[in-house]
Amino acid sequence: EVDLVESGGGLVQPGGSLRVSCAASGFTFSSYSMNWVRQAPGKGLEWLSFISSTSRTIYYADSLKGRFTISRDNAKNSLYLQMNSLRAEDTAVYYCARGMNSHYYMDVWGKGTTVTVSS
Amino acid sequence: EIVLTQSPATLSLSPGERASLSCRASQSVGSYLAWYQHKPGQAPRLLIYDASNRATGIPASFSGSGSGTDFTLTISSLEPEDFAVYYCQQRSNWPWTFGQGTKVEIK
Repeated sequence: EVDLVESGGGLVQPGGSLRVSCAASGFTFSSYSMNWVRQAPGKGLEWLSFISSTSRTIYYADSLKGRFTISRDNAKNSLYLQMNSLRAEDTAVYYCARGMNSHYYMDVWGKGTTVTVSS
Repeated sequence: EIVLTQSPATLSLSPGERASLSCRASQSVGSYLAWYQHKPGQAPRLLIYDASNRATGIPASFSGSGSGTDFTLTISSLEPEDFAVYYCQQRSNWPWTFGQGTKVEIK
């Protein structure tokens, strides 16, 4: 069964750092692009970042202003999001999502991990 | 950045009724538009891609139309499990963007 499981969320102080992870199973991870999307409390979905299957192509939302870094380890079937200089407005559920082959839309999603930025 | 504006914000309908959701883009996205369904506590689900193609396993009651700047998601007859929030998303230009969502609620 195709599955994505996020982990690494938690409580972090403003200005702190956190790395969230996404473990993939049930498909050939190295053949697919991946994304991070978040949903702040009471808000809609916000696309954050894209990484191609080989990590050669990476894009970010303008709002991240260089604070977040996406990466992947195809040998470990894992996707990562390193988040630095965290702010209260980064409080959200963070989802990883697989990109459809040839079409790139997000066709498989994890259930999310919650990040809370608060003192 | 392309802004997607969804309307209405909330749609109050009864099971069996037809739902029409709108998504308007600030500039042309061609046909590079998707629709997702999201229920509280669950993972979002891809419904429609490239404006009008149903994703794997999506029932025929869901259909998408449009191109350029105006798109519509239609649910022909609402089932109880269809009450949720629906988002459009464009992949025409980086950064990708979502609309703010339309909540379909039970009347």
